[in-house]
Amino acid sequence: AQKVTQAQTEISVVEKEDVTLDCVYETRDTTYYLFWYKQPPSGELVFLIRRNSFDEQNEISGRYSWNFQKSTSSFNFTITASQVVDSAVYFCALSEARNTDKLIFGTGTRLQVFP
Amino acid sequence: NAGVMQNPRHLVRRRGQEARLRCSPMKGHSHVYWYRQLPEEGLKFMVYLQKENIIDESGMPKERFSAEFPKEGPSILRIQQVVRGDSAAYFCASSLGTGDYGYTFGSGTRLTVV
Repeated sequence: AQKVTQAQTEISVVEKEDVTLDCVYETRDTTYYLFWYKQPPSGELVFLIRRNSFDEQNEISGRYSWNFQKSTSSFNFTITASQVVDSAVYFCALSEARNTDKLIFGTGTRLQVFP
Repeated sequence: NAGVMQNPRHLVRRRGQEARLRCSPMKGHSHVYWYRQLPEEGLKFMVYLQKENIIDESGMPKERFSAEFPKEGPSILRIQQVVRGDSAAYFCASSLGTGDYGYTFGSGTRLTVV
């Protein structure tokens, strides 16, 4: 069965600290996609990244980086030098090519960055 | 090129009334997904539609909820005889197709049942 686990419910850091949000997934499909979304207090969903199962290269985008490891079924997200504007709920999600591509979301990690 | 448009942004209904949530996908997108986010929870898949067809409704409650995506016009999520437990944010997403296509989410409709 497909499942996404975000074990960290809430994380608090002080500005400029680095923070890693964990995501572990389960799937029996060989072709799947992994996503991260940000949900700021205003409530909309902001797309951050999509990664397919055949591309294990790590990705860096500014202060954001993602570590995809198929061996441990993890897709962790690191924010370097966090800022107050990073405060939000972050969701990891999985979609399977054979399963109509619907997204399976984790329960989210609430990140609070204090000045 | 407008993104996915959802309206209304906020909807208040009394118990027993009907709620209609609209979603206009991005131009050219013929695949629409609806998700529900209960307070303090993650998003849960409800239904996947293509034009005039329901492809996967495995996440839809069996009663009171229905969805459509007509040939012309927006996709509609309809909730009849709303109850307090229906209070949630409802998000719509659209895509060009299945497979290696991205999703685009709307800003959501926040339904409050009083």
